[in-house]
Amino acid sequence: GENVEQHPSTLSVQEGDSAVIKCTYSDSASNYFPWYKQELGKRPQLIIDIRSNVGEKKDQRIAVTLNKTAKHFSLHITETQPEDSAVYFCAAGGFKTIFGAGTRLFVKA
Amino acid sequence: DAGVIQSPRHEVTEMGQEVTLRCKPISGHNSLFWYRQTMMRGLELLIYFNNNVPIDDSGMPEDRFSAKMPNASFSTLKIQPSEPRDSAVYFCASGPTGGYETEAFFGQGTRLTVV
Repeated sequence: GENVEQHPSTLSVQEGDSAVIKCTYSDSASNYFPWYKQELGKRPQLIIDIRSNVGEKKDQRIAVTLNKTAKHFSLHITETQPEDSAVYFCAAGGFKTIFGAGTRLFVKA
Repeated sequence: DAGVIQSPRHEVTEMGQEVTLRCKPISGHNSLFWYRQTMMRGLELLIYFNNNVPIDDSGMPEDRFSAKMPNASFSTLKIQPSEPRDSAVYFCASGPTGGYETEAFFGQGTRLTVV
């Protein structure tokens, strides 16, 4: 069935460094790729999304890239801050939405 | 808008009891999703409604689970009878358009513990 793989499962970076999270998907019908941030005990919230007709999108310190041919997309966070610490989920939406398993990001001050 | 509202926030029940989780989506949203989140399985889509009609219930784990959406402002997820393995956080989410190619606005979730 459809699947979204997300790596790494845990990522620890120093404040100010960059963080990169990568996802691959299997359903070629997927056209919508959101990223959600979930802080401890809170709900997932959308931080950025990209559609299949776009290769890259940027919003301040976060950016996403999409390679539809290779079926992978990535989240890039630059100049990380302690408040970026959370679990990040990628997802692929098309026929249905499938979430990745999540990446727990730790930003050390 | 207050966002997606779920109740209760926490529920502790004994095995075999019926559990009903409630959700009020954002006004004007066409799509409603129920998700289950556990450490082992992550975020799983249970069921998707579009304009109050169940479109995809392939994620519902078994017949003990049922969901309804009697109108555009209310949905329920029922588990009868409940089992300890149903313990999880259940999220309801709504979306402004139909289909899966839309942002999902999540509620605060219901933490269910079945003992």
